[in-house]
Amino acid sequence: DGGITQSPKYLFRKEGQNVTLSCEQNLNHDAMYWYRQDPGQGLRLIYYSQIVNDFQKGDIAEGYSVSREKKESFPLTVTSAQKNPTAFYLCASRRAGQGATEAFFGQGTRLTVV
Amino acid sequence: KQEVTQIPAALSVPEGENLVLNCSFTDSAIYNLQWFRQDPGKGLTSLLLIQSSQREQTSGRLNASLDKSSGRSTLYIAASQPGDSATYLCAVKPGNTPLVFGKGTRLSVIA
Repeated sequence: DGGITQSPKYLFRKEGQNVTLSCEQNLNHDAMYWYRQDPGQGLRLIYYSQIVNDFQKGDIAEGYSVSREKKESFPLTVTSAQKNPTAFYLCASRRAGQGATEAFFGQGTRLTVV
Repeated sequence: KQEVTQIPAALSVPEGENLVLNCSFTDSAIYNLQWFRQDPGKGLTSLLLIQSSQREQTSGRLNASLDKSSGRSTLYIAASQPGDSATYLCAVKPGNTPLVFGKGTRLSVIA
């Protein structure tokens, strides 16, 4: 089945620790996105990539880093510089281009600082 | 900067009612608009995609309309069921940039 897989589903981070969230897709999509969701705030864009080896900052990129070495994979690292990382993280992908192409989402990773 | 607003923030209806969820956006220069459903603790499921040149799209009991010039979209749900209870999110694609989301409408359908 084609789709987007995020792992792990739940992740716990200690203070000062870096953690990496995985996002893999087998839809052959060029563009991939990371969003953060907090209660009452909707989805906010962290980073996105429209092609391999290239990515752009979103609205809340501080304290996060990404890589796009393969078309299928777009991992997100939450660094110790991110002071409030507890949130629900969502990965999405879509075909490239400006036309009417649907965005598809993974099932999310819930990150909690302990 | 594009902003998306969804009204109401929450809605509770008895089973069987027809209902309308509203979405408005500030910049009419969009390529498409997409409606999603999100169940608690889950990812987003795409419901309907409307191209900027279209006026509406239908899927089963769902009908979404788009009035680009006035910056509005509605999601109509016919004969609501308890299984429709979820948060519904609207998102617009403002050109060659990522989707911009509203904060969603939390729907409860009471049996």
